Amino acid sequence: RKEVEQDPGPFNVPEGATVAFNCTYSNSASQSFFWYRQDCRKEPKLLMSVYSSGNEDGRFTAQLNRASQYISLLIRDSKLSDSATYLCVVRQRGSTLGRLYFGRGTQLTVWP
Amino acid sequence: NAGVTQTPKFRVLKTGQSMTLLCAQDMNHEYMYWYRQDPGMGLRLIHYSVGEGTTAKGEVPDGYNVSRLKKQNFLLGLESAAPSQTSVYFCASSYAEKLFFGSGTQLSVL
Repeated sequence: RKEVEQDPGPFNVPEGATVAFNCTYSNSASQSFFWYRQDCRKEPKLLMSVYSSGNEDGRFTAQLNRASQYISLLIRDSKLSDSATYLCVVRQRGSTLGRLYFGRGTQLTVWP
Repeated sequence: NAGVTQTPKFRVLKTGQSMTLLCAQDMNHEYMYWYRQDPGMGLRLIHYSVGEGTTAKGEVPDGYNVSRLKKQNFLLGLESAAPSQTSVYFCASSYAEKLFFGSGTQLSVL
């Protein structure tokens, strides 16, 4: 079983829609959680960290559910520029600092 | 404002040839990584380094070697390229668990 699992999508939504992605992780000792964004043929870039209490950054909201071992990303009022692949990333407690596990990514397309 | 720089951006090799990918970062980060990304597989860690002079194996180290002689540089070598090593390679450095990636190298092995 992979360390981090994501629904690959694709998710196709109209502008202005709200869309949510989930990501599950297998190791209950996982400690740190992140969402990265990757545009087509580009490098991944950090979108946001995910904190235990949940956190928001503009139109983006991240949630962590340790009991069910999943994290989520909610995007409100989708923009065309949100079209990208979203990568769920996890670090396990006890692993080398910075040793991160990546999901395969969820592809989002926002259409006009 | 360079960040992480990878060279080359594209390369085509024949089976059995060797090459070295260079990664340089100007952020004074201790940790550096090499990943490969294949369709449907996501990013997989090849090797990483926690500081100058140190290296360690990641998930898929076979067929690759690395060196970190200087803090700012992390080299990835392919001694005898195989078609299975056709991929996009990303170098990254990290600070406080946050990764900063280079723009990638598209490698094709024929």
